[in-house]
Amino acid sequence: AQSVAQPEDQVNVAEGNPLTVKCTYSVSGNPYLFWYVQYPNRGLQFLLKYITGDNLVKGSYGFEAEFNKSQTSFHLKKPSALVSDSALYFCAVNDRGSTLGRLYFGRGTQLTVWP
Amino acid sequence: DAGITQSPRHKVTETGTPVTLRCHQTENHRYMYWYRQDPGHGLRLIHYSYGVKDTDKGEVSDGYSVSRSKTEDFLLTLESATSSQTSVYFCAISESQFSEAFFGQGTRLTVV
Repeated sequence: AQSVAQPEDQVNVAEGNPLTVKCTYSVSGNPYLFWYVQYPNRGLQFLLKYITGDNLVKGSYGFEAEFNKSQTSFHLKKPSALVSDSALYFCAVNDRGSTLGRLYFGRGTQLTVWP
Repeated sequence: DAGITQSPRHKVTETGTPVTLRCHQTENHRYMYWYRQDPGHGLRLIHYSYGVKDTDKGEVSDGYSVSRSKTEDFLLTLESATSSQTSVYFCAISESQFSEAFFGQGTRLTVV
């Protein structure tokens, strides 16, 4: 069965510092991996995805994520955090071995960037 | 923004009544999903559809049914609402398995 784990409920960083939001996954085949962000009272917005190829994926708003197959991880990173990055972040996985297209999400990590 | 609309945006209903939430898309995407979001649980998949009249269960499907008679509409029905179904419900659409999903603004449902 597919699953996604975000081991940290909350991440706090100071503005200007690098940030990392962690994600690990479990799928039966090879994964499609996604990161989304949710601002208060809004739907989720797509940040970036890994389908194949380069393990370092660049996305919106200066975010990037590194796919590590051996560690089954897909951590979200940003070199210099902004206060406006404060939001709820979700990792998601879809099993490319499945033709049915189930998309599963982690529980989310609340990122707070302090000025 | 992707053309995806959820209705209603807010609803209060009584325990035991049926409730139907609607998701409408104008993108002609194949995949449509219903999720519920609850504190401490993140987003949990209720049902999804991979084509017209093709649906399947997700993680938390008990007490819910869905229908998709047209590409653009995906309906979620709470057959007999319970307080445990008080939640925020999100619809999402996706062109394919390896495409990003686009989300609606959500429906806040309260069952009293």
